[in-house]
Amino acid sequence: LAKTTQPISMDSYEGQEVNITCSHNNIATNDYITWYQQFPSQGPRFIIQGYKTKVTNEVASLFIPADRKSSTLSLPRVSLSDTAVYYCLVGENQGGKLIFGQGTELSVKP
Amino acid sequence: GAVVSQHPSWVICKSGTSVKIECRSLDFQATTMFWYRQFPKQSLMLMATSNEGSKATYEQGVEKDKFLINHASLTLSTLTVTSAHPEDSSFYICSARQLATPPDTQYFGPGTRLTVL
Repeated sequence: LAKTTQPISMDSYEGQEVNITCSHNNIATNDYITWYQQFPSQGPRFIIQGYKTKVTNEVASLFIPADRKSSTLSLPRVSLSDTAVYYCLVGENQGGKLIFGQGTELSVKP
Repeated sequence: GAVVSQHPSWVICKSGTSVKIECRSLDFQATTMFWYRQFPKQSLMLMATSNEGSKATYEQGVEKDKFLINHASLTLSTLTVTSAHPEDSSFYICSARQLATPPDTQYFGPGTRLTVL
């Protein structure tokens, strides 16, 4: 299973764009990249998933370079409610289990 | 989006008793569900993979006789913590895999807080 590395923590202010980068040097051909958000005492919430290039939804954008050895989650105009832990995971499509790394604790300040 | 529920949301029990936690996929069928455990200020740790109609696959270091998993239907998996002890107190989270045209995605339940006295 590909291991991921993320910054342990990040600080931001309301209204700013936040970019969290994840390294996954050993990503396999069949692996997809998925990001989750977790609030205290809640289960992780799916944010976005991608394989290559750029993916955008109503919540975030995911940028994946051609070599796929890293990915960047972009949160536009964060608010206080975006304070949470963000996990980057790499897993094989069609059945692969997900192994969580440390995650990035994002703190958004007023 | 896909919804996964867990019951109960929290439970307090005495040492030595057994506790059952249910995980349900509400609007999709899940042939595979996963069970995680999370201690305070730590990441999720995968405990086991639950497959409908077959035995669960446990991660290294997880006692299969202590953490009994049953995946009796395509929408329900249960985790039973047998002879619970205070060190089993934790936040237990399940996830269910929704199969789709690639990629498939795991959706997580809200978690169950277990406190063993």
